[in-house]
Amino acid sequence: EAGVAQSPRYKIIEKRQSVAFWCNPISGHATLYWYQQILGQGPKLLIQFQNNGVVDDSQLPKDRFSAERLKGVDSTLKIQPAKLEDSAVYLCASSLGAGPGVGTDTQYFGPGTRLTVL
Amino acid sequence: GNSVTQMEGPVTLSEEAFLTINCTYTATGYPSLFWYVQYPGEGLQLLLKATKADDKGSNKGFEATYRKETTSFHLEKGSVQVSDSAVYFCALSGSNDYKLSFGAGTTVTVRA
Repeated sequence: EAGVAQSPRYKIIEKRQSVAFWCNPISGHATLYWYQQILGQGPKLLIQFQNNGVVDDSQLPKDRFSAERLKGVDSTLKIQPAKLEDSAVYLCASSLGAGPGVGTDTQYFGPGTRLTVL
Repeated sequence: GNSVTQMEGPVTLSEEAFLTINCTYTATGYPSLFWYVQYPGEGLQLLLKATKADDKGSNKGFEATYRKETTSFHLEKGSVQVSDSAVYFCALSGSNDYKLSFGAGTTVTVRA
């Protein structure tokens, strides 16, 4: 079974530029997540989709970050304009997204995109 | 809100040594608890999980027991190998909440 795919793996940009990341979840997984992992810290959830609807975007800096999941499959995360503090690894994860007891749902992570903002 | 505190690293061990990484949590209700591992150059992988009190998760020789009375989920392995060198993350999610809250991670290096 193919895992979660992400591209690009690495990206270097200047501050104030824009950048986009792409994620393809595991086939059949209804729930998709984007996390930000700053060096030396654990991942922090940015946004969560259930199919093509947003479930939680409370920690997404909406003045500069946006995300979409068209047709409930692939997703893109965009930063515009980028700041120095956005340097991090951006992780995409997916899970089946079952009903009650969803806290037990296992999330599968992609390899991440390492963003460096100069 | 939910949060996880795990032992700071880095931790350096010799092969066949005993490994323990402490993890405590703060949460309402009955969270599920997870250990994820990140090997060098790879993505996060689920190592083990426990979904209710007194459950023991185990995988690849690692074990962790969900202790509600001490709000802990410590990771242990009796005899580590060089291939266990990685960053280990403790995490939790609420019973009706998909969101994973991660600890800061503990870097483990095993020397031959």
